[in-house]
Amino acid sequence: AQRVTQPEKLLSVFKGAPVELKCNYSYSGSPELFWYVQYSRQRLQLLLRHISRESIKGFTADLNKGETSFHLKKPFAQEEDSAMYYCALGSGGSNYKLTFGKGTLLTVNP
Amino acid sequence: DGGITQSPKYLFRKEGQNVTLSCEQNLNHDAMYWYRQDPGQGLRLIYYSQIVNDFQKGDIAEGYSVSREKKESFPLTVTSAQKNPTAFYLCATGTGGSGYGYTFGSGTRLTVV
Repeated sequence: AQRVTQPEKLLSVFKGAPVELKCNYSYSGSPELFWYVQYSRQRLQLLLRHISRESIKGFTADLNKGETSFHLKKPFAQEEDSAMYYCALGSGGSNYKLTFGKGTLLTVNP
Repeated sequence: DGGITQSPKYLFRKEGQNVTLSCEQNLNHDAMYWYRQDPGQGLRLIYYSQIVNDFQKGDIAEGYSVSREKKESFPLTVTSAQKNPTAFYLCATGTGGSGYGYTFGSGTRLTVV
């Protein structure tokens, strides 16, 4: 069975401070990991995919297979980063589906 | 509207009634998914479909039913057997392959009165 754990329900930082949202996963196969973000009154949208190794809005995430982690990081948080963040794990095979963590609500204070 | 339309945005249901939530897409994606979003619970998979006329149960399928008669549509029926139906329901589509993630609709909030 696949599982995604986001240990922090709430995370509060000040503007300009570094931020790290933790994500750990459990999966027997080769993992595909994503970060999704939901801003207030907006639909859930894809932020990052581990396979693309990209930086979006200053956020990065590195897959660490040894620690089974995919933490989301940003060196200098902005107020507009305040949102709900979900880590998701994709299963392989013909019945592809995403399993989501419970989410972390990030608040960036001025 | 992002290629996925969920309707209605708000829905009220009396206890004992069945209701159907609509999800339509024009992205030409093969796969469609229904998730339920509750505070503190994240997103939980209800049903999903990789191709027309085929669908699979997710983690919390009890009390729900779906159909996939055409590629563009994947309606979800919340039956009277669902014990706690009040929630926010999200529809998503995907290419059916790995690595590309999903596109989500704007959701339907169902309230049982």
